[in-house]
Amino acid sequence: GESVGLHLPTLSVQEGDNSIINCAYSNSASDYFIWYKQESGKGPQFIIDIRSNMDKRQGQRVTVLLNKTVKHLSLQIAATQPGDSAVYFCAENRLKGRRALTFGSGTRLQVQP
Amino acid sequence: NAGVTQTPKFRVLKTGQSMTLLCAQDMNHEYMYWYRQDPGMGLRLIHYSVGEGTTAKGEVPDGYNVSRLKKQNFLLGLESAAPSQTSVYFCASSIQEPQFSNQPQHFGDGTRLSIL
Repeated sequence: GESVGLHLPTLSVQEGDNSIINCAYSNSASDYFIWYKQESGKGPQFIIDIRSNMDKRQGQRVTVLLNKTVKHLSLQIAATQPGDSAVYFCAENRLKGRRALTFGSGTRLQVQP
Repeated sequence: NAGVTQTPKFRVLKTGQSMTLLCAQDMNHEYMYWYRQDPGMGLRLIHYSVGEGTTAKGEVPDGYNVSRLKKQNFLLGLESAAPSQTSVYFCASSIQEPQFSNQPQHFGDGTRLSIL
């Protein structure tokens, strides 16, 4: 498959541990945030989203936390599995008109069996 | 259900050649987007469309043109390819603006374009 993000920061965790991936966003006017997962050779897949009127949102094994004071977003993955190995991107709707998303540079998650 | 389909998957061009990348979606989505992805970087928005017959510039529009003649198709054109346009190109679609939808952007699997 293709190599995406040759110089990405990497988080390495043991299978079964919890993972926390962090993201700093740039625009205090952004009011919608998304986490995407991208596996090698594939397009990004939606994981979870959150609006700015919330601090926390939970999905299946994933939780997103939003701290608007410091413009920080995090993705927590519980009981990390080998299938979670991928590159994770956060995105915000900071462009004028907010009709599209702006993506961060990504974090590679490696799950050790 | 095919979702978002990109054609071709791979292409090699010489500097100065032109080509068109095709994106097709079968979900009746209004919004469509073209991104490029370079090593060590996230996706950067090139152009997008909020409906048939409309287009708008994104973050990095220079050197690209787009057309949305049919709702289901969004074409990305390179009139005179340059080595700096070597990248992986992703198309996405959404039913409406991402923040108002329970189904944010759906992505294709990308087109890898190399320009020599």
